Amino acid sequence: SQQGEEDPQALSIQEGENATMNCSYKTSINNLQWYRQNSGRGLVHLILIRSNEREKHSGRLRVTLDTSKKSSSLLITASRAADTASYFCATEPEVDDKIIFGKGTRLHILP
Amino acid sequence: NAGVTQTPKFQVLKTGQSMTLQCAQDMNHNSMYWYRQDPGMGLRLIYYSASEGTTDKGEVPNGYNVSRLNKREFSLRLESAAPSQTSVYFCAGEGARVGELFFGEGSRLTVL
Repeated sequence: SQQGEEDPQALSIQEGENATMNCSYKTSINNLQWYRQNSGRGLVHLILIRSNEREKHSGRLRVTLDTSKKSSSLLITASRAADTASYFCATEPEVDDKIIFGKGTRLHILP
Repeated sequence: NAGVTQTPKFQVLKTGQSMTLQCAQDMNHNSMYWYRQDPGMGLRLIYYSASEGTTDKGEVPNGYNVSRLNKREFSLRLESAAPSQTSVYFCAGEGARVGELFFGEGSRLTVL
């Protein structure tokens, strides 16, 4: 079974609003990453947070990690039409180095 | 600097045919990955290679074989294709910063 599960599966918001996506995982991890995928393209790495970090920022992105709850959230502030994409969390479990992905959240920014 | 290059981009096979998906990287990645992406399933790991000459099974390895003969190339082979293997296949390399994957553009495979 897959390590990560994103929530919600799909999200539609107005341009300018903030978008929040959540990820839950099952086993202890070394790090957690978020990726973005535009339709028909490969995934692009957005941000990585290590297991000993609680929050990380990159531009309009804010990621939090709660290892006690085995969960993470990705916040995109001041959303733009160009943010329309699928977003995936991925984890590197402590037990091995394989990076495992969740099922993703489809984000649609309405003009 | 092309990054991670996958070939072919599109392929149609008949059930029982074999084929190899090629992946090459010019970013000096040690670790390389093959994933498949199906609607509603996200990405699932097929095989993983931590370094040249080593491979390890992922979540869904059945029906596939891989080869990592050198650092640059990691190929995925379907010996006898089945309709259930219709999918988009992605190759990725892990950058110097652990946990950061660089993806190819994908190979869209249809098995009839």
